[in-house]
Amino acid sequence: GAVVSQHPSRVICKSGTSVKIECRSLDFQATTMFWYRQFPKQSLMLMATSNEGSKATYEQGVEKDKFLINHASLTLSTLTVTSAHPEDSSFYICSARGLDRYTQYFGPGTRLTVL
Amino acid sequence: TQLLEQSPQFLSIQEGENLTVYCNSSSVFSSLQWYRQEPGEGPVLLVTVVTGGEVKKLKRLTFQFGDARKDSSLHITAAQPGDTGLYLCAGVVGGAQKLVFGQGTRLTINP
Repeated sequence: GAVVSQHPSRVICKSGTSVKIECRSLDFQATTMFWYRQFPKQSLMLMATSNEGSKATYEQGVEKDKFLINHASLTLSTLTVTSAHPEDSSFYICSARGLDRYTQYFGPGTRLTVL
Repeated sequence: TQLLEQSPQFLSIQEGENLTVYCNSSSVFSSLQWYRQEPGEGPVLLVTVVTGGEVKKLKRLTFQFGDARKDSSLHITAAQPGDTGLYLCAGVVGGAQKLVFGQGTRLTINP
């Protein structure tokens, strides 16, 4: 149980384009999902908290207009990187919180490369 | 300022040796989690500790949560090459139950 999927696993795009990443909880409902970014050889940094049916809460320094988050259902959250630039290239990971309020289950990550 | 200080950041030892990874903070956490991450993959949850002083065992891995819920340790007994990976501690903070990650410990077990 507690499986989280992400799609796509890898994406390469040109600078200036937008990219959408999906995060799904496959066997449980998640009222809260989280989006993280991880640069090479670094730890995970929280970008935003996504709550079903309401606006996402962004961490300090994360541009909400650049990283659009939509949590349309209890099993799906999407992150759209708008007008992507090479510095946005990173490993994006989502997590979903299940019934246990302490535990987050992570997706396999999406490797974004912006040329 | 790093909320969670994880040490050591790199550790390379021989198969069969024991090791301990530490996760320290000046902040109190409602719970703390340990994850293991392989290259190109998401973190996989190993354990959640909630109660101060709690000790949990997962085969050769022993996790301890400090009495004051500010620190934690991961001890591996008789390390094996399959234990190689990035180990991350993460503390739960705030009403939103967000996770704050330590810097990670990159562990290499040499055969």
